[in-house]
Amino acid sequence: DVKVTQSSRYLVKRTGEKVFLECVQDMDHENMFWYRQDPGLGLRLIYFSYDVKMKEKGDIPEGYSVSREKKERFSLILESASTNQTSMYLCASSLVGATDTQYFGPGTRLTVL
Amino acid sequence: KQEVTQIPAALSVPEGENLVLNCSFTDSAIYNLQWFRQDPGKGLTSLLLIQSSQREQTSGRLNASLDKSSGRSTLYIAASQPGDSATYLCAVNYNNAGNMLTFGGGTRLMVKP
Repeated sequence: DVKVTQSSRYLVKRTGEKVFLECVQDMDHENMFWYRQDPGLGLRLIYFSYDVKMKEKGDIPEGYSVSREKKERFSLILESASTNQTSMYLCASSLVGATDTQYFGPGTRLTVL
Repeated sequence: KQEVTQIPAALSVPEGENLVLNCSFTDSAIYNLQWFRQDPGKGLTSLLLIQSSQREQTSGRLNASLDKSSGRSTLYIAASQPGDSATYLCAVNYNNAGNMLTFGGGTRLMVKP
């Protein structure tokens, strides 16, 4: 079974802090994704990566950056957390083909005070 | 803008009923369409993936259909059970979006015993 794990289920940070959210997958998938999910707005793609050190912006990249130094690990970075970044963050991975399903992690509920 | 719409946003049915969830999309040029299930506070679980060349997919009590020409997909759940209560999300991989998915807003299903 594909397993996608996220470093924390719940996280509370203060405004202005630098926040790291980590995602690890164990199926040698090329693609990895970061989404945020908000009530009434659904799931929105922040960034995705199709290879080590490669990244592409999604729909809402502002205020975020990403890092992919190893194939199995994809990190989402909030350089200076703000209250409007309070959200559920979901990581996913898939094989390289556009026809392949995405497998999701359990999510991280981030609260920025 | 390519969009995905799910109607209704919420649905409540008695146990044992057969039900249909709807998904519509704005462009027929798609790689595939996926249905996911999400339990409260959790990540997404892939239920069915229909490639653009397919008309339907089945898994147990679930059957998903795809009509590209009309821009519609339905998820049919037979003999619903309380354990089916969850939010069901439809996601489309449009041809010009690479590996990125566009999600609908979801249908929140409650099956009452």
